[in-house]
Amino acid sequence: VQLVESGGGLVQPGGSLKLSCAASGFTFSGSAIHWVRQASGKGLEWVGRIVNKPNNYATIYGASVKGRFTISRDDSKSTAYLQMNSLKIEDTAVYYCRTTGTRGDFDFWGQGTLVTVSS
Amino acid sequence: SYELTQPSSVSVFPGQTARITCSGDILARKYARWFQQKPGQAPVLIIFEDSERPSGIPERFSGSSSGTTVTLTIRGAQVDDEADYYCWSASDNNLMFGGGTKLTVL
Repeated sequence: VQLVESGGGLVQPGGSLKLSCAASGFTFSGSAIHWVRQASGKGLEWVGRIVNKPNNYATIYGASVKGRFTISRDDSKSTAYLQMNSLKIEDTAVYYCRTTGTRGDFDFWGQGTLVTVSS
Repeated sequence: SYELTQPSSVSVFPGQTARITCSGDILARKYARWFQQKPGQAPVLIIFEDSERPSGIPERFSGSSSGTTVTLTIRGAQVDDEADYYCWSASDNNLMFGGGTKLTVL
């Protein structure tokens, strides 16, 4: 199982950024994908999740990003995305992609990508 | 809304037993998972369904549950176990991590 995040970088407050999570080594179409972030020196914060096609690709988001962030996926490319709009300084963090499945022990993470929101 | 509460820090000497708790109303009806995160690394699953251990995780790590509290126990803690530990639980509309516990093995 491998998850590789990309797309992080420096963006100004109010700007947008789109992160990607490229998956391999498992059946991507059957899994759920979460985005989790971690500000420097802080704990893990769950950002949101998208489930699989049989569950209508339903999404759910944490309160701090709801209405600004959107998660999507392209099963043909085994890739998930996190579109981040109206970025705030407090969105600065390492963003991790995480996959979970029906089995409780199926829970794997990428190495993360750093997003810095600053003027 | 639900939340999961963990102690901010726990300290033990090598060879001792470390216990880290996680409390929250959701735990009375949903399973918990535990993750270990070392500096500069991504979190790793060490316990799922309250007390099950994924393959490759040492037997000194165990989990238990009672009511609205789950506990991660590390028997014979080693210096290499020094890390941040996070609990996680999820229902249909509530998905969350605990605040994390820094384990120091002195």
